[in-house]
Amino acid sequence: SAVISQKPSRDICQRGTSLTIQCQVDSQVTMMFWYRQQPGQSLTLIATANQGSEATYESGFVIDKFPISRPNLTFSTLTVSNMSPEDSSIYLCSVVSSSTDTQYFGPGTRLTVL
Amino acid sequence: GENVEQHPSTLSVQEGDSAVIKCTYSDSASNYFPWYKQELGKRPQLIIDIRSNVGEKKDQRIAVTLNKTAKHFSLHITETQPEDSAVYFCAASAGGFKTIFGAGTRLFVKA
Repeated sequence: SAVISQKPSRDICQRGTSLTIQCQVDSQVTMMFWYRQQPGQSLTLIATANQGSEATYESGFVIDKFPISRPNLTFSTLTVSNMSPEDSSIYLCSVVSSSTDTQYFGPGTRLTVL
Repeated sequence: GENVEQHPSTLSVQEGDSAVIKCTYSDSASNYFPWYKQELGKRPQLIIDIRSNVGEKKDQRIAVTLNKTAKHFSLHITETQPEDSAVYFCAASAGGFKTIFGAGTRLFVKA
């Protein structure tokens, strides 16, 4: 399975500021995704991070609010911009292992916006 | 787009009993159905998955069944143990791993 790390693991931020979350994988992966999990809720796909091109966003999520970078096949960042308390959530990076053809999740970043 | 419904939202069983969680999906193109277990404060962990060319898959105490015609799939846990207590998510993907998750089932196993 792929080993996924995320930084930071948690943060408390002031409204109006931005936070960039990093996701690092120990092997090259083609498919990388960003999910959000609000307290007590399920996982919602934010976007697919595409290497070498713009991310593909799901309905309800826009690039201005959640800019994503994918400079190579092992790394991606998600920025939560102009944060409000409603952005308080856990943000999870996810990858598909080409060797097992299964999807794995990073440990998550717990964001609290005051 | 794909929609995945999951029932029940909460399930309480006695240790040793079986637990069944059911899901339905809307996109007939869905061909991959994973199940994840999430313990409090931890990431979702894949526990079993099934692909559309198979009707049933078993791994020790865990089994999953798929009815493509009815667009139903279910998770069965036998001989439940307290450590099975967690939130379980079903999910469906129509390829490309754009995985859509159900709302989750909180399973309590009482000792």
